[in-house]
Amino acid sequence: SQKIEQNSEALNIQEGKTATLTCNYTNYSPAYLQWYRQDPGRGPVFLLLIRENEKEKRKERLKVTFDTTLKQSLFHITASQPADSATYLCALDDGSGAGSYQLTFGKGTKLSVIP
Amino acid sequence: DSGVTQTPKHLITATGQRVTLRCSPRSGDLSVYWYQQSLDQGLQFLIQYYNGEERAKGNILERFSAQQFPDLHSELNLSSLELGDSALYFCASSVDPDRAKNIQYFGAGTRLSVL
Repeated sequence: SQKIEQNSEALNIQEGKTATLTCNYTNYSPAYLQWYRQDPGRGPVFLLLIRENEKEKRKERLKVTFDTTLKQSLFHITASQPADSATYLCALDDGSGAGSYQLTFGKGTKLSVIP
Repeated sequence: DSGVTQTPKHLITATGQRVTLRCSPRSGDLSVYWYQQSLDQGLQFLIQYYNGEERAKGNILERFSAQQFPDLHSELNLSSLELGDSALYFCASSVDPDRAKNIQYFGAGTRLSVL
């Protein structure tokens, strides 16, 4: 069956360090992988999209990698700040269904950046 | 502010009742998606509409239905409510279902409590 797993439910990290979050998937062939940020009681906010033929994407302090052989994406936040504390969700567009581009989300990793 | 408006923000009702959740997408977005988020299940895709037509169905119960109107706003109807339907319901919109542009913008959600 199809499965998306994010490495841990919670990750604590010291301010200034690099946070690395993992998203693994099985039985998907995603054309795209996306990362979203969600704060408590609020809707997810899009951060980055990476295509299957891209190895890496960057945006300011954020970096995403996508390895379709390992079926894994890594999401890095460099020089982390307490304001980065949130739940981060990975989402796959599994490429199935003509005209339907629904996303399937992982359960998320709750990141806490400790001052 | 994502530009996606959901009403109401909170809804408290009793088992067996019926409720309607409303969503106005971002200006210019043709696709609307509905998601359910509970603590144990994460963000679950329910249904997608594109320009008034149903495009994809996910884990949507038969007691739930949705529609998208000519002005592109959408409503999610939940009937014969059960305690387990208590959750956050999110609406998201995207400019069109082109996979390369399938970035979804989420509303603030409706918190449904079934007592």
